[in-house]
Amino acid sequence: ETGVTQSPTHLIKTRGQQVTLRCSSQSGHNTVSWYQQALGQGPQFIFQYYREEENGRGNFPPRFSGLQFPNYSSELNVNALELDDSALYLCASSLGLAGGPKLTDTQYFGPGTRLTVL
Amino acid sequence: GEDVEQSLFLSVREGDSSVINCTYTDSSSTYLYWYKQEPGAGLQLLTYIFSNMDMKQDQRLTVLLNKKDKHLSLRIADTQTGDSAIYFCAEIPGYSSASKIIFGSGTRLSIRP
Repeated sequence: ETGVTQSPTHLIKTRGQQVTLRCSSQSGHNTVSWYQQALGQGPQFIFQYYREEENGRGNFPPRFSGLQFPNYSSELNVNALELDDSALYLCASSLGLAGGPKLTDTQYFGPGTRLTVL
Repeated sequence: GEDVEQSLFLSVREGDSSVINCTYTDSSSTYLYWYKQEPGAGLQLLTYIFSNMDMKQDQRLTVLLNKKDKHLSLRIADTQTGDSAIYFCAEIPGYSSASKIIFGSGTRLSIRP
């Protein structure tokens, strides 16, 4: 067990709605990354936050947005949900030392939130 | 492109060795990873190898890296039923500005009695 928790575990929404997913990082970790894992695929990087600022983004539209709080917990918000947004959403935390996250920082994954869009 | 390639399925007999292969994309990737995902669970980091190594052994797991061919493999010795899972090969490209892990599509390992 990594100490990274996510809520809720499952969620069902309809097309056009908005959703907020939550992640609590492993104690002491200041960096969080979010991934989308469609059925039968590997996870795809959405974005990363370090000390409350976005620190890199993958190929996802602006309706995917995030927040990181002073306690380093994080939210992923998705607006105007589409059917293709149905997936497992994973967050991963890591410890970025002075100077910011390094490519070599090990990321620890939570169990994910399964989002179904009808 | 950013495709990490793996075969989709592997079936082995219990007690045999499993070898899962992967081809990655970026020769400047510093670390290469193997993650395990069991049904309904998140990703578990199994092992990783630094790019200046050829081999890493960790109990039943052996990772082999061929940088010239950008080929990575994971060998599981004495495969057990608890090893049934999807195994993801992953890299962080050297050009990435964030710790953006690129995953393959995963290899589903099934164990025959």
